[in-house]
Amino acid sequence: ETGVTQTPRHLVMGMTNKKSLKCEQHLGHNAMYWYKQSAKKPLELMFVYSLEERVENNSVPSRFSPECPNSSHLFLHLHTLQPEDSALYLCASSQDWGAHGELFFGEGSRLTVL
Amino acid sequence: SQQGEEDPQALSIQEGENATMNCSYKTSINNLQWYRQNSGRGLVHLILIRSNEREKHSGRLRVTLDTSKKSSSLLITASRAADTASYFCATVSNTGKLIFGQGTTLQVKP
Repeated sequence: ETGVTQTPRHLVMGMTNKKSLKCEQHLGHNAMYWYKQSAKKPLELMFVYSLEERVENNSVPSRFSPECPNSSHLFLHLHTLQPEDSALYLCASSQDWGAHGELFFGEGSRLTVL
Repeated sequence: SQQGEEDPQALSIQEGENATMNCSYKTSINNLQWYRQNSGRGLVHLILIRSNEREKHSGRLRVTLDTSKKSSSLLITASRAADTASYFCATVSNTGKLIFGQGTTLQVKP
């Protein structure tokens, strides 16, 4: 596989469930990102990891918990979510954080919270 | 904030016509990037133009950058139905911070 792979592509969960989104990049990049895309809103940067260290956390509620066990994998753990958290969650990677280069995106995980 | 603001928000044209989308921003940049997103999918990088460049081409895409006006435009020539998508500009600051605009939704009718 090449590029950035996200699983699952679709997820429906209740407000009391615990689930995780997974992202894997095969590009040898050092930086990975989680974005949230809601209808009619700009992409919101949630978290950035550089060399497995979290370097940005943009006031994201604690019900979203990221994990980066190595430079190729990124997780977003979800618990006690709200219906307004329903959105498309996009993972991206880049060669290095802060290096002005392009981002490579996965296909996204469409989350619906009931 | 140096968020890019796209104009128009939505654009509908006939196949074969040219499509022009504009992006304005507020503060100085290192570069500006354009991305495309098909409905419900991830974003795909199209082109990057640096602050010292004025124009760049890639296939049917032409991007211009006017740093004095803090604006950029994306021109898609001879559009095709397959060009139907949302297009986003993203500004990159000198510290590497990347911020996306709200996007332009393009519909190309066959």
